Amino acid sequence: TQLLEQSPQFLSIQEGENLTVYCNSSSVFSSLQWYRQEPGEGPVLLVTVVTGGEVKKLKRLTFQFGDARKDSSLHITAAQPGDTGLYLCAGVETSGSRLTFGEGTQLTVNP
Amino acid sequence: DSGVTQTPKHLITATGQRVTLRCSPRSGDLSVYWYQQSLDQGLQFLIQYYNGEERAKGNILERFSAQQFPDLHSELNLSSLELGDSALYFCASSSGLADTSTDTQYFGPGTRLTVL
Repeated sequence: TQLLEQSPQFLSIQEGENLTVYCNSSSVFSSLQWYRQEPGEGPVLLVTVVTGGEVKKLKRLTFQFGDARKDSSLHITAAQPGDTGLYLCAGVETSGSRLTFGEGTQLTVNP
Repeated sequence: DSGVTQTPKHLITATGQRVTLRCSPRSGDLSVYWYQQSLDQGLQFLIQYYNGEERAKGNILERFSAQQFPDLHSELNLSSLELGDSALYFCASSSGLADTSTDTQYFGPGTRLTVL
């Protein structure tokens, strides 16, 4: 089983600050996905990155897939309280469609 | 709303008991996945079904079993329950595309199981 390490585990910042969440593995994934999960709900897909070196932007969120397809990062600029939630990275294994999830980053943005 | 439904939303039971969790995938999706989310282990893949057949198995205990029916809904059966089985159980569905790298999984709202 391929493993994903996500950091930091907890992040508490003030509104307007920037932040980066990292997702690292020693294994190659066919693609990397980022999810956001609210309390009492299932994870919701934010983005899928497929190509090594790929960068995708979703408003204030920037997602990057490492050149070797082993790591990824999520950067949020000018964070807002509405960004508060659990952010999960998940790798799609090269041998199939199962997802391997990182431990998650609990982000709190204080007004 | 992801289009994936799960019932029940909450389940409280005692150790040693057996429960069944139900999942209805999004219309048109052929693949169903089950995940367990606990505080100490995060989201763990349990098992995947595609069009009624088991396709992949993860960290699923022998006390747990699942199946996918002809109408594509799925059930996860948990037996001889232990305190440590208390967790959120999520079902996800996808179209089951051949290109698995872009086959998006849509998650249901989950079933919170509490074993007392």
